Amino acid sequence: QSALTQPASVSGSPGQSITISCTGTSSDVGAYNYVSWYQQHPGKAPKLVIYEVSNRPSGVPNRFSGSKSGNTASLTISGLQADDEADYYCTSYTTTSSYVFGTGTKVTVL
Amino acid sequence: QVQLVQSGPEVKEPGTSVKVSCKTSGYTFSNSAVQWVRQARGQGLEWIGWIGVARGNTNYAQRLQERVTITRDMSTSTSYMELSSLRSEDTAMYYCAAEIYTTSCCYFDYWAQGTLVTVSS
Repeated sequence: QSALTQPASVSGSPGQSITISCTGTSSDVGAYNYVSWYQQHPGKAPKLVIYEVSNRPSGVPNRFSGSKSGNTASLTISGLQADDEADYYCTSYTTTSSYVFGTGTKVTVL
Repeated sequence: QVQLVQSGPEVKEPGTSVKVSCKTSGYTFSNSAVQWVRQARGQGLEWIGWIGVARGNTNYAQRLQERVTITRDMSTSTSYMELSSLRSEDTAMYYCAAEIYTTSCCYFDYWAQGTLVTVSS
């Protein structure tokens, strides 16, 4: 199972919106609506920010939103804040009952 | 509250095995799955495998499946990840994470602090 493809880095100024893409195949991203997104600050464990493509866990600001079209999922962060600077990983459930992570995207707040 | 606590750091020689534990509390262990993920220094997350706690069914990443075994102990609400034939490339932070079953699916919202495994002679 190959890793899902994400851009290595995305940047934006405070208050702006950014979007991170996550491209897979018809065996993972395209197969189910089971894409989730995790935020990871340096030296910390990952934190869930989106599940089932577009659902936010309680406590996650509504500035975080997700979507999917075909084999590509996306995470959008609007009203970018300094604390949003982190690494972001998508993951998808697959047709072989396994999971695959994305390559990761470093978000920089300028 | 839900907590996952892993065992401490390990230093192992190449060719040996390591077993990392993940003790859970604050929820019904049998109504969950536990996944294991690793991250080499400066690298991305790599999925290792998962276990459905109630039935003990497992699924492993293809490239690790011959060397990894994930188990659980219902009496202590603990999951274990054992990796054998260790090589230097296995040096990484290892995380466990729990999916507590609801009507939603296939995500892991509770994570442990991680265990650093170093493979060195």
